[in-house]
Amino acid sequence: NAGVTQTPKFRILKIGQSMTLQCTQDMNHNYMYWYRQDPGMGLKLIYYSVGAGITDKGEVPNGYNVSRSTTEDFPLRLELAAPSQTSVYFCASRGTVKTQYFGPGTRLLVL
Amino acid sequence: QKEVEQNSGPLSVPEGAIASLNCTYSDRGSQSFFWYRQYSGKSPELIMSIYSNGDKEDGRFTAQLNKASQYVSLLIRDSQPSDSATYLCAVNFDFGNEKLTFGTGTRLTIIP
Repeated sequence: NAGVTQTPKFRILKIGQSMTLQCTQDMNHNYMYWYRQDPGMGLKLIYYSVGAGITDKGEVPNGYNVSRSTTEDFPLRLELAAPSQTSVYFCASRGTVKTQYFGPGTRLLVL
Repeated sequence: QKEVEQNSGPLSVPEGAIASLNCTYSDRGSQSFFWYRQYSGKSPELIMSIYSNGDKEDGRFTAQLNKASQYVSLLIRDSQPSDSATYLCAVNFDFGNEKLTFGTGTRLTIIP
């Protein structure tokens, strides 16, 4: 039981490039979330999903897209990367209990 | 806008003493409250959750909730160097809304 896994661990992008951050959970959780965390700051919700096929915007969705075709996977797509998207990205999931379980994070640097 | 506020610290506490971390939130109708611990370079992990007014104890950790005053606190007794981390307060503002709003965190350092 691996919990929540994220790939890659670290990535450098050039301005204008695109990439997909992968997130997979093996706990059969319906709810999944993407957060970003800037240095010295709390977590800001980007997008979330309450089940396969259902997604909704969080607090800071601009510049990102998501899809949820299966219960296990919740990829985050960055289109036209900008320096402002330099951050650490965390994926999380939760089941019927309100506890959110976090993946190890992806550190993204946009230059 | 619904907000969660924490003192960013750093908060320095001698080993063996009680560390007290505080959090205030903006909406009196909030339902669920969480404390997460985050070590440097790692992901957050849940320490405590609390849903009702009063105290909830789990080992060396006690969460305290006062909905009328809109604050939630975390006490750490017999502080250990391994407790040095950033503590994030999170609030679920709306019943049926599955989103959490996080504070910016308080950095705690336990001095040996």
